[in-house]
Amino acid sequence: DAKTTQPPSMDCAEGRAANLPCNHSTISGNEYVYWYRQIHSQGPQYIIHGLKNNETNEMASLIITEDRKSSTLILPHATLRDTAVYYCIFGGSNYKLTFGKGTLLTVNP
Amino acid sequence: EAGVTQSPTHLIKTRGQQVTLRCSPISGHTSVYWYQQALGLGLQFLLWYDEGEERNRGNFPPRFSGRQFPNYSSELNVNALELEDSALYLCASSLFVGSSYEQYFGPGTRLTVT
Repeated sequence: DAKTTQPPSMDCAEGRAANLPCNHSTISGNEYVYWYRQIHSQGPQYIIHGLKNNETNEMASLIITEDRKSSTLILPHATLRDTAVYYCIFGGSNYKLTFGKGTLLTVNP
Repeated sequence: EAGVTQSPTHLIKTRGQQVTLRCSPISGHTSVYWYQQALGLGLQFLLWYDEGEERNRGNFPPRFSGRQFPNYSSELNVNALELEDSALYLCASSLFVGSSYEQYFGPGTRLTVT
């Protein structure tokens, strides 16, 4: 399975931007980067995905480096409800999601 | 737009019994995926259905089975329940658009086997 590297935990103050990094150095040219999150005891939630260009939606922004070996998920104004484990994954030929350990983001009041 | 729904929310069964879990995908989604998430462990892929056919299967014994109906809803059946089957069972759906990991999950069914 494709491997990503994420910090195990991060803290962020409520209202500030949360920047979550992910290394995916083995990604190939046609593979998208996907971000999900899982709030405790709930189903995972799709956030955003991208290939080469930066992407933005109502939930977050995704910045992908030019060499595509890493990316950063940005939550522009984190709230307490954004406290969750965030997963970065990539792949292109398989349809089963496999999450690594992810980053536990704790948003503090 | 209604999201993915699953039933029941919680279930308690005894070893050796059988259980059926149900999932309704987002309207218009033809693919349904089943995952197992045991406490403290990661997401384990179980099954993928699309257009009524089983497309892919994870590394689980045959007592885990399922099906997809013409309306794209799906059932997961687990026979001869074992204690280690206790887990959160998650269903997800997606539009089958080439190679896509954009899946939308339901709230899950928490199964406890005693």
